[in-house]
Amino acid sequence: ETGVTQSPTHLIKTRGQQVTLRCSSQSGHNTVSWYQQALGQGPQFIFQYYREEENGRGNFPPRFSGLQFPNYSSELNVNALELDDSALYLCASSRREYEQYFGPGTRLTVT
Amino acid sequence: RKEVEQDPGPFNVPEGATVAFNCTYSNSASQSFFWYRQDCRKEPKLLMSVYSSGNEDGRFTAQLNRASQYISLLIRDSKLSDSATYLCVVNKGVAGTYKYIFGTGTRLKVLA
Repeated sequence: ETGVTQSPTHLIKTRGQQVTLRCSSQSGHNTVSWYQQALGQGPQFIFQYYREEENGRGNFPPRFSGLQFPNYSSELNVNALELDDSALYLCASSRREYEQYFGPGTRLTVT
Repeated sequence: RKEVEQDPGPFNVPEGATVAFNCTYSNSASQSFFWYRQDCRKEPKLLMSVYSSGNEDGRFTAQLNRASQYISLLIRDSKLSDSATYLCVVNKGVAGTYKYIFGTGTRLKVLA
């Protein structure tokens, strides 16, 4: 086990709603990255947080936003949900320049 | 052209075989490279980092060729438990930023 936890495990939302996903990083890790993985695809980088600041962002619209807290846990918020947002959302923690370790993911279904 | 490209497979090999995967990347400034393994409906798990000099971990060997912009993974003496999707990862971030790009993965099936 990596020690990275995510909640909830599964979630069903309606188009237009907002969702918040949570991630607790592994002890000693100060960096959290979020990814979206659609079925049959590799994970797509959403953004990364280091010491509570955004430290890199992929090609996702502003309705994808995040936070990192002083204990290095993190949230991913998605506003105005669209059907295409249905995916597995993965959080990964690391010490800044080191390998990333993934949590089990949150499976989001938008109907 | 995708930033990180992998042959999706599947590669079907018998137990005990040696199999190799390649992954090409388009950004020559990419700083770090990794191989992850992902089982069906599970999270990716770090298999190994890829160093410029190449590195080995048991039956697994990773190589980096910066001139040709590809990385490779060699698996010797394949086991049934090696069946999974292997994801190539490239960090294309610069100046202290990080942007990890995953390939779509190569599926491996090891057959008894």
